[in-house]
Amino acid sequence: DQQVKQNSPSLSVQEGRISILNCDYTNSMFDYFLWYKKYPAEGPTFLISISSIKDKNEDGRFTVFLNKSAKHLSLHIVPSQPGDSAVYFCAASDGSARQLTFGSGTQLTVLP
Amino acid sequence: KAGVTQTPRYLIKTRGQQVTLSCSPISGHRSVSWYQQTPGQGLQFLFEYFSETQRNKGNFPGRFSGRQFSNSRSEMNVSTLELGDSALYLCASSTRQGANTEAFFGQGTRLTVV
Repeated sequence: DQQVKQNSPSLSVQEGRISILNCDYTNSMFDYFLWYKKYPAEGPTFLISISSIKDKNEDGRFTVFLNKSAKHLSLHIVPSQPGDSAVYFCAASDGSARQLTFGSGTQLTVLP
Repeated sequence: KAGVTQTPRYLIKTRGQQVTLSCSPISGHRSVSWYQQTPGQGLQFLFEYFSETQRNKGNFPGRFSGRQFSNSRSEMNVSTLELGDSALYLCASSTRQGANTEAFFGQGTRLTVV
């Protein structure tokens, strides 16, 4: 039973346009959400996070939106750049547990 | 400061053998977690160590074990290797000062079982 789902395995976007990556979760105990970016042969790199007390967090070109009623979060990248091409994982944790539950990832390709 | 260091980067083992992977966390980080990444499965949580004690464990068989030393370095051991154990093994460290902090990952150890 996948508690964190990324239903789009891949996404292609033109350079300069907006990239929107989606993530759904089923566990209502999750209260902290993170996005990681992963290049081949490297470990995931933390990108941005959001607490369940917020519905939006912005950091430069990256914005994460959280819709708790829909158990849905999304990552917006504006404008998209070729260097953003990577696999993006969303992850969630439930309070005191240090365990992160990851989605299966979305391969983003930004076309020049 | 130095990031999370995992050794070795690549490893080839034969089915039935055992293997030990090492992870040195960021200085000051006392929590180390291990994950297995396989194609299409994302990252699956193995276990977490904090202050030399296993605090949390994922849904993996007993062939997968770990430990943490007093300097927070951690090792993961897999015994009686199976072909399906071929994966990228990642460790992540965090301060564990409160639950909601990000984890920092190492580059991983790519294990191939033949």
